[in-house]
Amino acid sequence: AQSVTQPDIHITVSEGASLELRCNYSYGATPYLFWYVQSPGQGLQLLLKYFSGDTLVQGIKGFEAEFKRSQSSFNLRKPSVHWSDAAEYFCAVGPLLSGSARQLTFGSGTQLTVLP
Amino acid sequence: DAGVTQSPTHLIKTRGQQVTLRCSPKSGHDTVSWYQQALGQGPQFIFQYYEEEERQRGNFPDRFSGHQFPNYSSELNVNALLLGDSALYLCASSPPARDPGDEQFFGPGTRLTVL
Repeated sequence: AQSVTQPDIHITVSEGASLELRCNYSYGATPYLFWYVQSPGQGLQLLLKYFSGDTLVQGIKGFEAEFKRSQSSFNLRKPSVHWSDAAEYFCAVGPLLSGSARQLTFGSGTQLTVLP
Repeated sequence: DAGVTQSPTHLIKTRGQQVTLRCSPKSGHDTVSWYQQALGQGPQFIFQYYEEEERQRGNFPDRFSGHQFPNYSSELNVNALLLGDSALYLCASSPPARDPGDEQFFGPGTRLTVL
């Protein structure tokens, strides 16, 4: 069965500092990997996704993530955090290869606090 | 484009009651998935509807049921509510199947409180 671990429940960074949110996955094949962001009272917004190819993926809002097969990781990074980035971040692993339904398995999330 | 819409926004029920939550998918999308997000947790997959049929189901009891209508909108029904059913219920829609990794668009959710 697929699973996702986000080891950091809560991270606090100062505005302008760099950010890295960790994500480890367990999956039987090449995964589809996603990062979503959730602000209070909002649904989930997709930041970026990885299917294949270049292991460094660029997303919206200046975020990027690197897929490392050897470490089963897909960490999210941002070089300079803005106060508006304060939110909860979820890593998710996607469905199997073509023909399967789109069932996402999410990690438990990392709450990001940004200090002025 | 209105995106994915859900109603109601909030709902309060008592134990043993039944509840129906509604979802309208993004324009052009034909697949609807439902997720339960308990406080402090990530969303958990309940089930998915395509062509008016339940295509896949997560680890949820039969008290959770759903329906998809010809216009692709969907309902989630929960019977015999338990306190543990209190959660944010998220609906997500996906476009006609081209790649299983196609982005799912999420609605803002319905916050269900069971007293």
